[in-house]
Amino acid sequence: GENVEQHPSTLSVQEGDSAVIKCTYSDSASNYFPWYKQELGKRPQLIIDIRSNVGEKKDQRIAVTLNKTAKHFSLHITETQPEDSAVYFCAATNPMFSGGYNKLIFGAGTRLAVHP
Amino acid sequence: DAGVTQSPTHLIKTRGQQVTLRCSPISGHKSVSWYQQVLGQGPQFIFQYYEKEERGRGNFPDRFSARQFPNYSSELNVNALLLGDSALYLCASSAVGTNEKLFFGSGTQLSVL
Repeated sequence: GENVEQHPSTLSVQEGDSAVIKCTYSDSASNYFPWYKQELGKRPQLIIDIRSNVGEKKDQRIAVTLNKTAKHFSLHITETQPEDSAVYFCAATNPMFSGGYNKLIFGAGTRLAVHP
Repeated sequence: DAGVTQSPTHLIKTRGQQVTLRCSPISGHKSVSWYQQVLGQGPQFIFQYYEKEERGRGNFPDRFSARQFPNYSSELNVNALLLGDSALYLCASSAVGTNEKLFFGSGTQLSVL
């Protein structure tokens, strides 16, 4: 069935270092890949997304890369700051616009800790 | 601009009881989805509603049901609660044309004792 695997489950970095989180998806029809950040007790927030017709997307300190052949995508955070500490979730979906139906398959999450 | 709102924020129930969770989407969004997030895991898809019709259902038993109202708000109902239903229930809304881009509410934390 559909599955998204996410690694690592925990990641600890020093402030200013880079952090990389990797995900692999199983459904080759997946064409949309969002990343969510969830701080303790708060809602998951969409921080960046990428579609299957694009290989890389950047937004200030964060970037996402997609390798469709290998069916994996990664989140890159540069110059990490303590406020980047949170749980990050990757997801994959195959939207069926004709029916307005879509679902996100989430990875299990990565707990990122940025130490001052 | 108000985001997705959910109520209540916390709920404690006992096994066998029934619960109703409520969600109001972002203004202008016509699609609402429900997800269950067990502690330490990623959210898992339960339902999607679009234009008041169920468009998709995840691998959840028939004890779970939902509906969407003419104002696009939604309710999730869970009957005959089990201990394993304890989780954070997240509602998300999305706009027509970008219905894969989900905006989540803060969730309802359900504890079943």
